[in-house]
Amino acid sequence: DAGVTQSPTHLIKTRGQQVTLRCSPKSGHDTVSWYQQALGQGPQFIFQYYEEEERQRGNFPDRFSGHQFPNYSSELNVNALLLGDSALYLCASSLGAPVGWGWETQYFGPGTRLLVL
Amino acid sequence: DQQVKQNSPSLSVQEGRISILNCDYTNSMFDYFLWYKKYPAEGPTFLISISSIKDKNEDGRFTVFLNKSAKHLSLHIVPSQPGDSAVYFCAASASGNTPLVFGKGTRLSVIA
Repeated sequence: DAGVTQSPTHLIKTRGQQVTLRCSPKSGHDTVSWYQQALGQGPQFIFQYYEEEERQRGNFPDRFSGHQFPNYSSELNVNALLLGDSALYLCASSLGAPVGWGWETQYFGPGTRLLVL
Repeated sequence: DQQVKQNSPSLSVQEGRISILNCDYTNSMFDYFLWYKKYPAEGPTFLISISSIKDKNEDGRFTVFLNKSAKHLSLHIVPSQPGDSAVYFCAASASGNTPLVFGKGTRLSVIA
């Protein structure tokens, strides 16, 4: 049973460019959440997708956008990259939008490490 | 404005002894708390949780204590094993469908 997979594992971009990160959820999961983990920080919630719609959003600018496909996989897009966007981007999947105890059922992928030069 | 704080960036403990990792929070709306463990090159994995209706939850070698009046929780690992060496994140959520808020993490090193 494959867990959450993310691609690519590493990526280097320059300021102003655009990037797309991809996530395949764990088998049987239909909800995908994206997190940004800057160096020395904890993961910070970006947004969550369920039924191909953005259901919740954290405190991130509109440069961060996403998409969920009918097969539940998801993409995170970041436009006009800034140096401060350098971070580990984590994808997490769950069955249904986590509420209360449901957060325990959220599985994280290994992340994509993005470096913006 | 950090709502979940882990003030110890690192902790070193001898194998077989107790590891105590601490976490403080400021948002009184938080009522559900989780601990995650993260190894290098892997995503965080869920370890143990506690609801605000309890003050203790135990799972094998891991116990989480919650002190609501102090807005403080701690994770106890007894006995500590070298395989426990990882970064531990405390996370919190308010009731309803609110996203998790994570602390910065504490790197635990268990020395054999």
